[in-house]
This record gives sequence, structure tokens and C-alpha cells, in this order.
Amino acid sequence: KAGVTQTPRYLIKTRGQQVTLSCSPISGHRSVSWYQQTPGQGLQFLFEYFSETQRNKGNFPGRFSGRQFSNSRSEMNVSTLELGDSALYLCASRKDSTYEQYFGPGTRLTVT
Amino acid sequence: QQQVKQSPQSLIVQKGGISIINCAYENTAFDYFPWYQQFPGKGPALLIAIRPDVSEKKEGRFTISFNKSAKQFSLHIMDSQPGDSATYFCAVRGGFKTIFGAGTRLFVKA
Repeated sequence: KAGVTQTPRYLIKTRGQQVTLSCSPISGHRSVSWYQQTPGQGLQFLFEYFSETQRNKGNFPGRFSGRQFSNSRSEMNVSTLELGDSALYLCASRKDSTYEQYFGPGTRLTVT
Repeated sequence: QQQVKQSPQSLIVQKGGISIINCAYENTAFDYFPWYQQFPGKGPALLIAIRPDVSEKKEGRFTISFNKSAKQFSLHIMDSQPGDSATYFCAVRGGFKTIFGAGTRLFVKA
């Protein structure tokens, strides 16, 4: 069974640009969550989606947005990039009615 | 606000020893308490988890101890091995949201 896949794995962007990251959950998993991981702030919750609906959102500015498609694939978008947005962005998927989350390898975003 | 406090930040243990990592949380609304293991360049992987109606759970060399009244839980790694060297995160889940501790870097000396 294929795990969670994230594309691209590495990305370099310039301040002010925008970026879209993609996540494909494990087959059969309809819940997708996104996290930002940095050395200073650790792992921080961005948002969780289920059946194309955002169920919760972390304390991030409105520049961070996401969506989920009918096939459960999810994207997150960051607009007007700032240097502080440089981080590893992780996606995790979960099966209905279970708590266990499975993480992808992450997308390493560098903003210059 | 910091809802999960994890300690220690780093830990060095001899091979065969016991590694103990602690977490304390502030909100009683959480209903799932997992531990994740992360190796460099990889995403976190679920190691073991517990629900609040159980005080202890053991899976192989890994044990979670849970103290609901104190709002604390800990991870014990028995017979620690060099391959256990990684960063460990505790987490709490409630309301469709998972909050992670700051992480503990474990190094097991051969």
C-alpha cells in the first residue's frame, strides 16, 4: 500500500512569490492535515480537511490556505512568501473514525 | 499558547538502558495521546498511542504511561538501541487538531 506522497520534495522561492504544495493521501484515507516544521517553532498545525471541508485551522495568517479535492488529494497555498515561511511542510492522512495519522516525507520550502 | 510541554530537550542513553521522555498538557479536552519518531529527512512516524481511559500501554520495547489527573504522559524505551537515535515528539489530539510537543533528541551510545 502506497504511503502519503508529497510534491514537490524541494522548492526554492523568492520573497513575495506564492507557492502551492500537493499531498496525496493513502488510498482510502479521507482526512488530510498539514503541518509546518521549523527548528524554532517545531511542528505546528496548519489545517485539517475531511471530505473537501476544512474542519479546523491553526494560528497562521490568511496567507496560508488549503483545499481538498473529491479524490481526497489536498493542496496548500502560501501567498506573498516571507523569509520566515522557510520550513518543512508535512502532510498527514487518516482513515475515517480512527486517530492514527500517517505522515508524508514533506516538502522542504526555502524562501530567499 | 503552549499546550504541550515536552522534556527533556535532549537525552543521551547507553545501549541497553531505559530512555524516558515526558509530556504535560494543559487542556482536558484532548482524547488521544500519540508519540511519533522522526529520523532526519523523514516525516514523523507513529510509534505508539494511548487513549485517556487507559493508564499504560506497551508495544514491544515501547511503553506509554498516562496520568490523567496530573495531565501527564511519558514514553519509556526499554533496552535502548543505537537505531533508536532519533527525535521523538509527543502530541495531543482533540477537536480535529493535533498539537505537538517541542521534541526530544535521543542519542543512544553504542
